[in-house]
Amino acid sequence: GQNIDQPTEMTATEGAIVQINCTYQTSGFNGLFWYQQHAGEAPTFLSYNVLDGLEEKGRFSSFLSRSKGYSYLLLKELQMKDSASYLCALMDSNYQLIWGAGTKLIIKP
Amino acid sequence: DVKVTQSSRYLVKRTGEKVFLECVQDMDHENMFWYRQDPGLGLRLIYFSYDVKMKEKGDIPEGYSVSREKKERFSLILESASTNQTSMYLCASSLGDSAGANVLTFGAGSRLTVL
Repeated sequence: GQNIDQPTEMTATEGAIVQINCTYQTSGFNGLFWYQQHAGEAPTFLSYNVLDGLEEKGRFSSFLSRSKGYSYLLLKELQMKDSASYLCALMDSNYQLIWGAGTKLIIKP
Repeated sequence: DVKVTQSSRYLVKRTGEKVFLECVQDMDHENMFWYRQDPGLGLRLIYFSYDVKMKEKGDIPEGYSVSREKKERFSLILESASTNQTSMYLCASSLGDSAGANVLTFGAGSRLTVL
């Protein structure tokens, strides 16, 4: 079967660094996506990894290890506006997305 | 700015009522999707469409139907609303079926309460 896990909630301090992990099990893999969703708003695309390694985009980076079934989203220099839910989604061999339940990130001053 | 627009942000309906949720995209995307989002669960796919007049069942199609008469419009229909259909409904679209082209653009969501 396929499943995807991420922590329910995390808390971090403004200016700090936080890593949000996502682990998955799947028989077929066509990439892993991260989306950000502010409360009451639409999810918005952050990153896509299909090969192992780190993809950096400004303050946000995403890492993938296909052999370990593991990804993380790294947020640096945290700002209050980063308070949101972060959704991990796996694309399977049929190009269908399997979504994690999301990690609610709370940023404290 | 590209957009996916959902016609209603908040709806309150009674059990047994027929409910229409409308979604329009202006990006000429081939693919359109309807998801529901509930606390503690990942997004669950209800229906999707890869082309006009085409529809495919997702993971939880029971109690729902869809219509795609025009490329830009994808409607979700609850024939007889039930309380367990109280949820946030998200419409999304994407360009194609290769992984890189499958970045989803979401609408702002329609929060449906069924009493």
